[in-house]
Amino acid sequence: AQKITQTQPGMFVQEKEAVTLDCTYDTSDPSYGLFWYKQPSSGEMIFLIYQGSYDQQNATEGRYSLNFQKARKSANLVISASQLGDSAMYFCAMRDYNAGNMLTFGGGTRLMVKP
Amino acid sequence: DAGVTQSPTHLIKTRGQQVTLRCSPKSGHDTVSWYQQALGQGPQFIFQYYEEEERQRGNFPDRFSGHQFPNYSSELNVNALLLGDSALYLCASSLVVNLSGYTFGSGTRLTVV
Repeated sequence: AQKITQTQPGMFVQEKEAVTLDCTYDTSDPSYGLFWYKQPSSGEMIFLIYQGSYDQQNATEGRYSLNFQKARKSANLVISASQLGDSAMYFCAMRDYNAGNMLTFGGGTRLMVKP
Repeated sequence: DAGVTQSPTHLIKTRGQQVTLRCSPKSGHDTVSWYQQALGQGPQFIFQYYEEEERQRGNFPDRFSGHQFPNYSSELNVNALLLGDSALYLCASSLVVNLSGYTFGSGTRLTVV
């Protein structure tokens, strides 16, 4: 069975500093994809970054990077140079291809950026 | 290029009633998935539609049903509403051939009283 764990229910970061949001996953399928989404108070899930299980390099998208440690089954999101607009809920999700097309989400981390 | 559009944005229903939520996928997408997000939790997969058929279903009772139309838009129907059905309902569209490209809408906030 798939499982995504986000152990940080809430985090504070100072504006302009970097922050790491933790995500661990559990799957027996060698082929899977890992996603990070941002959910502001408006409710929309905004795609941030994707990492495939066979990708050799860590994914990066602007200020977002994914620290993928396959042996440890972790996929931490790193946000560099935090901005006030980064304050939101962040969700880690996995698509396990044996399980079809569904995404399994973690419980989320609330990030609060302090000015 | 319009993203995923969901309607209505908010809805209040009484226990036992039925509700229909609507989703228009992103232009060019052919697959629609529905998720339920209870307050303070991550979204949970309800089901996915492709080629007007339910292709995959999560652990939800038969009270939850759906439909996909020829233009790829979709409806989520919930019968015999329970207080526990109160949640944010998210629609996500994708291309069946693109395994990493999901686009979510802003959701419908359903409150059951």
